[in-house]
Amino acid sequence: NAGVTQTPKFQVLKTGQSMTLQCAQDMNHEYMSWYRQDPGMGLRLIHYSVGAGITDQGEVPNGYNVSRSTTEDFPLRLLSAAPSQTSVYFCASSYGPWDFGRREAFFGQGTRLTVV
Amino acid sequence: AQSVTQLDSHVSVSEGTPVLLRCNYSSSYSPSLFWYVQHPNKGLQLLLKYTSAATLVKGINGFEAEFKKSETSFHLTKPSAHMSDAAEYFCVVSDLSKKSSGDKLTFGTGTRLAVRP
Repeated sequence: NAGVTQTPKFQVLKTGQSMTLQCAQDMNHEYMSWYRQDPGMGLRLIHYSVGAGITDQGEVPNGYNVSRSTTEDFPLRLLSAAPSQTSVYFCASSYGPWDFGRREAFFGQGTRLTVV
Repeated sequence: AQSVTQLDSHVSVSEGTPVLLRCNYSSSYSPSLFWYVQHPNKGLQLLLKYTSAATLVKGINGFEAEFKKSETSFHLTKPSAHMSDAAEYFCVVSDLSKKSSGDKLTFGTGTRLAVRP
């Protein structure tokens, strides 16, 4: 069982470039989400999805887009990268939106993004 | 609104000595509380959770935490540190929302544990 898989693991972008961070899970989880991790700030929610075709904004959504066309995949798009988006990005999933806060969240290994 | 405060950003212990990582929370509801561990270049892994059952919670790898409502604390302990425990630890509170969007997790800023030989 692969769990939650994120690609790429590392990426360097120039300001203004676009890219997509990939996230896939093979556990048939309905709930998927993206977090960014910055030093001294813990993890902050960017976007989340409670099922295929349904997405919503989290705490820090500006500069990011998401879509959820299948249960398995939840890509995160940066349309025009900025240095403030330099961070470590984590994708996480759970069986349902309430399992996230009551049972367990499953995290990918993270994508370390640097915008220069 | 809920919040989590991890009182130490770095903790250093010798191998074989006890570990104490401190966490205080604030929540309007009866919260669920978690500790997650992040080893270098890895994702976060659930260590243990409190969801209104027993106040002393046992987790993986010999860790445990005690929920103290009167002190709004959920400190993580281990009797004897091992070199493999070196990692970053996050205290997390969940608001147990009834919204269709599900529960909101609030993460602490993390405590980096170093274990000296």
